[in-house]
Amino acid sequence: NAGVTQTPKFQVLKTGQSMTLQCAQDMNHNSMYWYRQDPGMGLRLIYYSASEGTTDKGEVPNGYNVSRLNKREFSLRLESAAPSQTSVYFCASSDWGAVYNEQFFGPGTRLTVL
Amino acid sequence: AQSVAQPEDQVNVAEGNPLTVKCTYSVSGNPYLFWYVQYPNRGLQFLLKYITGDNLVKGSYGFEAEFNKSQTSFHLKKPSALVSDSALYFCAVRGYQGGKLIFGQGTELSVKP
Repeated sequence: NAGVTQTPKFQVLKTGQSMTLQCAQDMNHNSMYWYRQDPGMGLRLIYYSASEGTTDKGEVPNGYNVSRLNKREFSLRLESAAPSQTSVYFCASSDWGAVYNEQFFGPGTRLTVL
Repeated sequence: AQSVAQPEDQVNVAEGNPLTVKCTYSVSGNPYLFWYVQYPNRGLQFLLKYITGDNLVKGSYGFEAEFNKSQTSFHLKKPSALVSDSALYFCAVRGYQGGKLIFGQGTELSVKP
């Protein structure tokens, strides 16, 4: 099992450009999440999908959109990138509904917006 | 609102000494608490969790955590630190909806030989 995979690993964008971060999991989890990590701020939830066909905003959704393509895949789109979106982005998945719902994380995408 | 606080940005210990990384929480109802570790340029790895039952929870790599309801704390501990334990540690509490996790800001653990 690959677990949670993310592409790309690194990306540099210019202000105003768009891009999509891809995430896939092979653990048959029903829930998936997108976080951003910034120094001294821990991980902040951008969007999540509790189950296939549903998405909800997290703590910092502005400037982002998501698509739950199927049970395996959950993508994050930046329509018009801004320097404030320079961050490390992590995708995670879990078997929500069970009490023991620890999340499993991908390796991250390091994004720089110039 | 639920929240988690890690009062120390950095913890320094000597190899072989015991270590403690502190975490306090604020929730309504029963807390579901987690510890994760992040090595440089890697994703987060699950260490342990408290759901219910015994207040001392044992996890991966020799780590354990003590749940204290009266002090609303969930401190991470290890009896004897290794240099390889040096990493960023996150405490988290389960959110109300969708299995969300709310993370603390992280504590950098540095173990010196």
